[in-house]
Amino acid sequence: KAGVTQTPRYLIKTRGQQVTLSCSPISGHRSVSWYQQTPGQGLQFLFEYFSETQRNKGNFPGRFSGRQFSNSRSEMNVSTLELGDSALYLCASSLSSGGTNEQFFGPGTRLTVL
Amino acid sequence: GEDVEQSLFLSVREGDSSVINCTYTDSSSTYLYWYKQEPGAGLQLLTYIFSNMDMKQDQRLTVLLNKKDKHLSLRIADTQTGDSAIYFCAETVFNTDKLIFGTGTRLQVFP
Repeated sequence: KAGVTQTPRYLIKTRGQQVTLSCSPISGHRSVSWYQQTPGQGLQFLFEYFSETQRNKGNFPGRFSGRQFSNSRSEMNVSTLELGDSALYLCASSLSSGGTNEQFFGPGTRLTVL
Repeated sequence: GEDVEQSLFLSVREGDSSVINCTYTDSSSTYLYWYKQEPGAGLQLLTYIFSNMDMKQDQRLTVLLNKKDKHLSLRIADTQTGDSAIYFCAETVFNTDKLIFGTGTRLQVFP
C-alpha cells in the first residue's frame, strides 16, 4: 500500500507570493492533518480535515488555509508569504478522525521563502 | 495547557540501550506516539501506546507509560548507528487527530 505522498517536495518562493501544497493520504484514509516544522518552533499543528470538513485549526494567521476534496486529498495554501513561513510542511493521514487511529506522515514539502 | 517535554540530547554507545523520556500534560489523550525523524525526512511512526496500557513491546522497542506521573519513555535495546535520529513523542488531543509534539530528542549513537 502506498504511503502518504506530498507534492512538491521542494519549493522556493519570494515574499508576497502565494503557494499551494498538496497531500494524498494513504488509500482508504479519510482524515488529513497538516503540521509546520521549523527549528525555532518545532512541530506545530495547522489543520485537521475529515470528510471535506475542517475539524480543527491551529493558531496560525488567516493567510494559512486548507481544504479537502471528496477523494480525501488535501491542499493547503499560504498567501502573502513571509520569510518566517520557510519551513517543512508535513501532512499526516489516518483512517478516521477522533484520535483513535494511528497517524502516518508524508515526507514533507520544504518551502523556502526568499 | 498543552505541553509535551523531552530532553534535547542523548548519546549512547552502539550495543547499549537507549532510554528517551517524555512528559505530557493532557490526561485525556487517547494515544501517545513515538516518531523518528532522520535528516531531511518526514516523520516515521515507530510505535504508539493506548492510554489504558502500561507497557508495549515491539521488537527492540519498549514503551512504558506512567499515567499518574504523565511520563512516557521509549527504550531501544541494542542501539545501532542507524538509530541515530531525532525522536519525537506526541500526544493526541481528546477526540481529535491533533497531535501535540515534544521538542524532540536527538539520539547520537557512537561506535
